[in-house]
Amino acid sequence: ETGVTQTPRHLVMGMTNKKSLKCEQHLGHNAMYWYKQSAKKPLELMFVYSLEERVENNSVPSRFSPECPNSSHLFLHLHTLQPEDSALYLCASSQVGYGAQHFGDGTRLSIL
Amino acid sequence: EDQVTQSPEALRLQEGESSSLNCSYTVSGLRGLFWYRQDPGKGPEFLFTLYSAGEEKEKERLKATLTKKESFLHITAPKPEDSATYLCAVSDDYKLSFGAGTTVTVRA
Repeated sequence: ETGVTQTPRHLVMGMTNKKSLKCEQHLGHNAMYWYKQSAKKPLELMFVYSLEERVENNSVPSRFSPECPNSSHLFLHLHTLQPEDSALYLCASSQVGYGAQHFGDGTRLSIL
Repeated sequence: EDQVTQSPEALRLQEGESSSLNCSYTVSGLRGLFWYRQDPGKGPEFLFTLYSAGEEKEKERLKATLTKKESFLHITAPKPEDSATYLCAVSDDYKLSFGAGTTVTVRA
């Protein structure tokens, strides 16, 4: 596989469920990112991991919990989400110090 | 705080009708300006990075230019397959700040 792969592509969950989003990059990058994309709004940066350490938590509610076990994998653990959390969640990767980020195709999340 | 404004919000073109998209930005120290293309149901696809005023990059029918306050994405003789949302982003460190995008529709 090449590029950035996200699973699942679609997820429907109730407000009391717990689920996880997965991201894997095959580009040899050492920085990974989670973004939220809502309709008609700019991409919102949620979390940044650089060299496997979290360097940014952009005022994200604690119901979102990231995990980066190594430079190729990134998870977003979800629990007790709200309807306004329905959105497209995008993962990206890059080389630290080189700005161009490469994105996966996202997970479309719907909260019932 | 970095700010990125894209205009117009939407652009409808006839096939072959050239046009330009605008990205104006405010950033403390520009380390790069990035253009992406996003198709429905897909993630953003990287197109160009521009680093300094006066720089230009080209790819097929697309040409990106950069000044100290804005960037333009010129689409020359577009085809229906150029229909997409085009996103602009700026970086002053490891983070990207995105604009809301311009949705381009090219009719045959």
